[in-house]
Amino acid sequence: IAGITQAPTSQILAAGRRMTLRCTQDMRHNAMYWYRQDLGLGLRLIHYSNTAGTTGKGEVPDGYSVSRANTDDFPLTLASAVPSQTSVYFCASSGQRGDTQYFGPGTRLTVL
Amino acid sequence: GESVGLHLPTLSVQEGDNSIINCAYSNSASDYFIWYKQESGKGPQFIIDIRSNMDKRQGQRVTVLLNKTVKHLSLQIAATQPGDSAVYFCAVFDNTNAGKSTFGDGTTLTVKP
Repeated sequence: IAGITQAPTSQILAAGRRMTLRCTQDMRHNAMYWYRQDLGLGLRLIHYSNTAGTTGKGEVPDGYSVSRANTDDFPLTLASAVPSQTSVYFCASSGQRGDTQYFGPGTRLTVL
Repeated sequence: GESVGLHLPTLSVQEGDNSIINCAYSNSASDYFIWYKQESGKGPQFIIDIRSNMDKRQGQRVTVLLNKTVKHLSLQIAATQPGDSAVYFCAVFDNTNAGKSTFGDGTTLTVKP
């Protein structure tokens, strides 16, 4: 059982480019989340999904979009990357919203 | 909204000593709490959790204490080992508000051999 996987592990991206970060879980969890982690700041929620087919905005949603076509996958898209989106991105999942969240290994993204 | 803060950004202890990491939260409706450990270059790893109907929970070498009166949460690590060196942060959940979660910034624990 892999748990949660994320891809890519790291990426350097030119500003203005489109980028999709992938997240897959095999725990059949209903809820999934995307966070960004910046130095000196706690994890900040970007978007979440309570169940397949639904999504919601978190604390810092601007510049990001998500989709939840099925239970396992929750991709995060940056439509036009900007340098302020340089960060480490973590995907997480939980059985239900409010349950223990389990995190993926993260994607380190640098936007130049 | 909820604010979650850790009392110390860094903590250095000697191998074999006990470590205590503290967390304060602001929302009295918070009802579920988790401590995570994050090693360098890795994702946060679940350590232990506690619900608001408890004030203490023990795991293997770890204990979480919850004081709802002063809205304070602590993680105690017994006989700290070099492998415990990591960033520790608390997560606070409000299940009266659709399970909204807030994460603390993290305390960096360094264990000296």
